[in-house]
Amino acid sequence: NAGVTQTPKFRILKIGQSMTLQCTQDMNHNYMYWYRQDPGMGLKLIYYSVGAGITDKGEVPNGYNVSRSTTEDFPLRLELAAPSQTSVYFCASSHRDRESYTFGSGTRLTVV
Amino acid sequence: GQQVMQIPQYQHVQEGEDFTTYCNSSTTLSNIQWYKQRPGGHPVFLIQLVKSGEVKKQKRLTFQFGEAKKNSSLHITATQTTDVGTYFCAGLREGTALIFGKGTTLSVSS
Repeated sequence: NAGVTQTPKFRILKIGQSMTLQCTQDMNHNYMYWYRQDPGMGLKLIYYSVGAGITDKGEVPNGYNVSRSTTEDFPLRLELAAPSQTSVYFCASSHRDRESYTFGSGTRLTVV
Repeated sequence: GQQVMQIPQYQHVQEGEDFTTYCNSSTTLSNIQWYKQRPGGHPVFLIQLVKSGEVKKQKRLTFQFGEAKKNSSLHITATQTTDVGTYFCAGLREGTALIFGKGTTLSVSS
């Protein structure tokens, strides 16, 4: 049972490039989330999804896009990367909205 | 929008001393969750509190949820070096997802 798997673990992007951060879970969780973590700033919610085909914006959605075509996968797309998007990105999932979250191991992204 | 504030931001203790971190929300919470993140790791769920005034214990850790469901605390008795990490509280924003505080980073010297 792998839980929540994120790829890649590390990535360096140049300003203006695009990339997709992958997230997949094998727990049949309905809810999935993307957070970013900057030093000393806690975790900020980017996007979340309550089920396949449904996504919604969180606290800091600008510069990102998501899709949820299956229950298992919730990729995060960065278009036109900017230095302000340098961060650690965590994907998480939960069975329901009032249950504990299981986090992936994170993707450390640097934009130069 | 809803905010979750956590203090202190950093705390250093000697091994064996107690430690407390406090969490306050600008709005009433339906529940609050606590997570621990080890250096270089990812957040790991510790506990969830749902009822007003609820107190839960996990070995040396004691969690409380305030009567008004707007504040919470985590107390560690007799800290150990294995307690090192950042402790986050997170409140559920109705209809969305958990909103995290900035965390309290605990360091322990032996």
